[in-house]
Amino acid sequence: DGGITQSPKYLFRKEGQNVTLSCEQNLNHDAMYWYRQDPGQGLRLIYYSQIVNDFQKGDIAEGYSVSREKKESFPLTVTSAQKNPTAFYLCATKDRTDTGELFFGEGSRLTVL
Amino acid sequence: GQNIDQPTEMTATEGAIVQINCTYQTSGFNGLFWYQQHAGEAPTFLSYNVLDGLEEKGRFSSFLSRSKGYSYLLLKELQMKDSASYLCAVIDSNYQLIWGAGTKLIIKP
Repeated sequence: DGGITQSPKYLFRKEGQNVTLSCEQNLNHDAMYWYRQDPGQGLRLIYYSQIVNDFQKGDIAEGYSVSREKKESFPLTVTSAQKNPTAFYLCATKDRTDTGELFFGEGSRLTVL
Repeated sequence: GQNIDQPTEMTATEGAIVQINCTYQTSGFNGLFWYQQHAGEAPTFLSYNVLDGLEEKGRFSSFLSRSKGYSYLLLKELQMKDSASYLCAVIDSNYQLIWGAGTKLIIKP
């Protein structure tokens, strides 16, 4: 089936540890996005990539890093530099068109203990 | 700055009609989305408006007025499964998506 797979769905980490969230898609979409969602707030863009081997910072990129070595994959690393990483993280993809809808993965909930 | 306003929470009765409003102030406009998000799940696409007027899709309709910077989502014949958050998002002049904080809709029997 075509879709977006995020893993893990739930993740716990200790302060000071880096953690990587996986996002894989088989929709053949060019653009991929990482959003963070906190209670009572809109989705905030962390990073996005419109083509392999290229990515751009979003509004809240500090403390995060990404790579786009393959079209299908866009992993997000939450580093120890991110001061408040506990949140719900959503990966999304979009076809080439600028006004196309976003398709979302099921999300990863990260809790820092 | 860019801003999208939606009510934080609304309550409605099963079988009734509810209208969720969204007002926006953005640098340019290239379309507006409505998404539905159940708690702990991913948002799912409901509608896209780029021209003024009403778009109807089953029990859901979405309206846009570009001159007023205003949209609404109309849900008819409410069902318990419609209890969710409804997110409004606008595509700005740079083709970036600006998201509202979402409206939590509670349906009561």
